[in-house]
Amino acid sequence: EADIYQTPRYLVIGTGKKITLECSQTMGHDKMYWYQQDPGMELHLIHYSYGVNSTEKGDLSSESTVSRIRTEHFPLTLESARPSHTSQYLCASSGSLDREIYGYTFGSGTRLTVV
Amino acid sequence: AQSVAQPEDQVNVAEGNPLTVKCTYSVSGNPYLFWYVQYPNRGLQFLLKYITGDNLVKGSYGFEAEFNKSQTSFHLKKPSALVSDSALYFCAVRVSTGRRALTFGSGTRLQVQP
Repeated sequence: EADIYQTPRYLVIGTGKKITLECSQTMGHDKMYWYQQDPGMELHLIHYSYGVNSTEKGDLSSESTVSRIRTEHFPLTLESARPSHTSQYLCASSGSLDREIYGYTFGSGTRLTVV
Repeated sequence: AQSVAQPEDQVNVAEGNPLTVKCTYSVSGNPYLFWYVQYPNRGLQFLLKYITGDNLVKGSYGFEAEFNKSQTSFHLKKPSALVSDSALYFCAVRVSTGRRALTFGSGTRLQVQP
């Protein structure tokens, strides 16, 4: 039973298109994260947010941008998609400082293919 | 800085045999350690964590992991493997202080043969 939702699950889009990957959570978590994962490979942190109007870039440089206008919503946008953006994008969230030790809750991911 | 190493890309084990998936970590301070499992075309599912206390932690689906501070390891174990355990397993770490996101290892694919 998912408490964090990502849409779409699969997306095939042409080069140069603008896309937004949606991520919403219903747990009231203040921290949210975006990871990029090539199939069966390691996860790379590309963006994170510790609260509304707070966003930071992660360890892996990415051309995507994020916003955090509402606690429950953390969308990721690519202004101009390229084939190199083809990957799986995983969204996660975690609770406040005294609860974040329970780790992250992950969404099911969006598998993006840019043709 | 924090990092995780999973030295085995794949582990093969026969059903009913014990399994071990290895993980070593590096952090500047005390670690919080996690194991996650990923099934095909899905997100990651939490298995277990070490925060403090007993070095042997028990988690979901009969898995357990042993924290070894001197060897900076957190190996995942299960006494008797099931075919349904076949999946991709990720170890993750973050330092216990400050505001840091989890750093994940490269993953180990577990294949349990009938």
